[in-house]
Amino acid sequence: DTAVSQTPKYLVTQMGNDKSIKCEQNLGHDTMYWYKQDSKKFLKIMFSYNNKELIINETVPNRFSPKSPDKAHLNLHINSLELGDSAVYFCASSPSGTGGPYEQYFGPGTRLTVT
Amino acid sequence: RKEVEQDPGPFNVPEGATVAFNCTYSNSASQSFFWYRQDCRKEPKLLMSVYSSGNEDGRFTAQLNRASQYISLLIRDSKLSDSATYLCVVNEDNYGQNFVFGPGTRLSVLP
Repeated sequence: DTAVSQTPKYLVTQMGNDKSIKCEQNLGHDTMYWYKQDSKKFLKIMFSYNNKELIINETVPNRFSPKSPDKAHLNLHINSLELGDSAVYFCASSPSGTGGPYEQYFGPGTRLTVT
Repeated sequence: RKEVEQDPGPFNVPEGATVAFNCTYSNSASQSFFWYRQDCRKEPKLLMSVYSSGNEDGRFTAQLNRASQYISLLIRDSKLSDSATYLCVVNEDNYGQNFVFGPGTRLSVLP
């Protein structure tokens, strides 16, 4: 069984469109994340949710809106897509609380191309 | 946000070589430390956690120096399958929620 899954794996779309990426984890973790990895391969956190509550919200355009319907799911909706949004988006999850360190488990990534 | 820095690489080494990667972090309050491995077009995966006393896992040895805010990874007897990008990761809080990734160091092990 896949621990962290993302859909779709590839997404090609035109500028100005709105798209969503879905993420699910079956590990029972409390915390989920969205990361962006750009063409320079730098992995940067965008959002972190703990038990459906937003914990970290880095400097990300408000065109990006995460939603966590339950602690096993964290979706990412992007409005008015721009060329610079082209990247690989990774979802991840981890346990949390005192008593770490805690490993993060990553999904396979969604490769978004905006044309 | 504080930063995590790594050797820029790439490192090209022959099979059987020993190679060392360095990482520094700027947030002295950081709590946990990790090395992740990322293969081309794949997701990052945990290689090993890094403990204050240093730790070893087979051919891999990780060291942490909190005073110097420095982490290292040593790979002995390199294999072709070790070719990947190695990411230094720092957890900045007590609750396992705030992870900062370094830019990665690419390793190519050559036959």
